[in-house]
Amino acid sequence: ETGVTQTPRHLVMGMTNKKSLKCEQHLGHNAMYWYKQSAKKPLELMFVYSLEERVENNSVPSRFSPECPNSSHLFLHLHTLQPEDSALYLCASSQDHGDEQFFGPGTRLTVL
Amino acid sequence: AQKITQTQPGMFVQEKEAVTLDCTYDTSDQSYGLFWYKQPSSGEMIFLIYQGSYDEQNATEGRYSLNFQKARKSANLVISASQLGDSAMYFCAMREVNYGQNFVFGPGTRLSVLP
Repeated sequence: ETGVTQTPRHLVMGMTNKKSLKCEQHLGHNAMYWYKQSAKKPLELMFVYSLEERVENNSVPSRFSPECPNSSHLFLHLHTLQPEDSALYLCASSQDHGDEQFFGPGTRLTVL
Repeated sequence: AQKITQTQPGMFVQEKEAVTLDCTYDTSDQSYGLFWYKQPSSGEMIFLIYQGSYDEQNATEGRYSLNFQKARKSANLVISASQLGDSAMYFCAMREVNYGQNFVFGPGTRLSVLP
């Protein structure tokens, strides 16, 4: 596989569920990102990992919990989400923090 | 204040014609980068073109060119010879080198190419 992959592509969950989104990059990059894209809102940066350390956390509610076990993998753990958390969640990676970013196809999340 | 402004929520263009998508930005950083991304209905964001604040020439990548006017703080994307596959959302983004290196995205412009 090449580029940035994300699984699952679609996810429907209830407010009491716990689920995880997975992102994997095959580009040898050192930085990875989670973005949230809601309808009619600009893309919002959620978390940034550079060399496996979190370097940015943009006031994201604690019901979103990121994990970066190595430079190729990034997870977003979800628990007790709200319906307003329904959105497209995009993962991206870049060679270094600040370089052009390459995005995955996104996970379309629906919270019921 | 918004750092990236895209004033055209939607644009139409006839196939094979050129189209300009507007982007203005706001920064006090002297060193920054400007990016354009395309997002088809499939959801994936595709990098198109990059312009550095110190680049004297406008960036070009195939049918894409960036009309960079630094004094006006604008970085418009020009797509020449539009194709049906160009129909998508287009996002302008900025990275400020001395203010965290993170990307800030504009609200996007939806481009529809008509046959």
